Amino acid sequence: AQSVTQLDSHVSVSEGTPVLLRCNYSSSYSPSLFWYVQHPNKGLQLLLKYTSAATLVKGINGFEAEFKKSETSFHLTKPSAHMSDAAEYFCVVTRGNSGGYQKVTFGIGTKLQVIP
Amino acid sequence: DTEVTQTPKHLVMGMTNKKSLKCEQHMGHRAMYWYKQKAKKPPELMFVYSYEKLSINESVPSRFSPECPNSSLLNLHLHALQPEDSALYLCASSRTGLDTQYFGPGTRLTVL
Repeated sequence: AQSVTQLDSHVSVSEGTPVLLRCNYSSSYSPSLFWYVQHPNKGLQLLLKYTSAATLVKGINGFEAEFKKSETSFHLTKPSAHMSDAAEYFCVVTRGNSGGYQKVTFGIGTKLQVIP
Repeated sequence: DTEVTQTPKHLVMGMTNKKSLKCEQHMGHRAMYWYKQKAKKPPELMFVYSYEKLSINESVPSRFSPECPNSSLLNLHLHALQPEDSALYLCASSRTGLDTQYFGPGTRLTVL
């Protein structure tokens, strides 16, 4: 079984300050982990992914995430928030199964608000 | 190029109408997906196609009928929908069923 917990449904930061979006996961197997961003009325855009290589993963738009197995966490960070970062962020865990498909589990999402 | 396109962007239909949603990718991906996303919720998987064959149907009502005519195209045929089916319908594709999924912009469906 696998699950994803996004610890905050809503995060508010001031423009230019750091961003931290928290994600904890549970998986019986070695998972792949992703962060996707969704702007209002848009599809999901891949920010970054962890697939058992380097534990610190750099993504687009200055975002990065660190895989911590001991803490079962995959928190998303950015040093300085920009107004365009305001969006919904989804943490996703996947694992392959014997049928050749991924079991994909989405977190509930964290809405990031950036205050000017 | 990691683009998945979806048409139309918006669709309004009555409960007796028949309509179709279209999804296209030219990345050579062999797995394609339909998701349904209600407001303020994460996407929910509906169907998975792998090598043009339906591989997963997450107990979706028969008023939703997927079709994969070729490796680049995925359709979702809609008939006799209910107002509660109003949602954002997202298409995604991946190189294989085990690879990273890339999403399209979605079709916003409203059922009156």
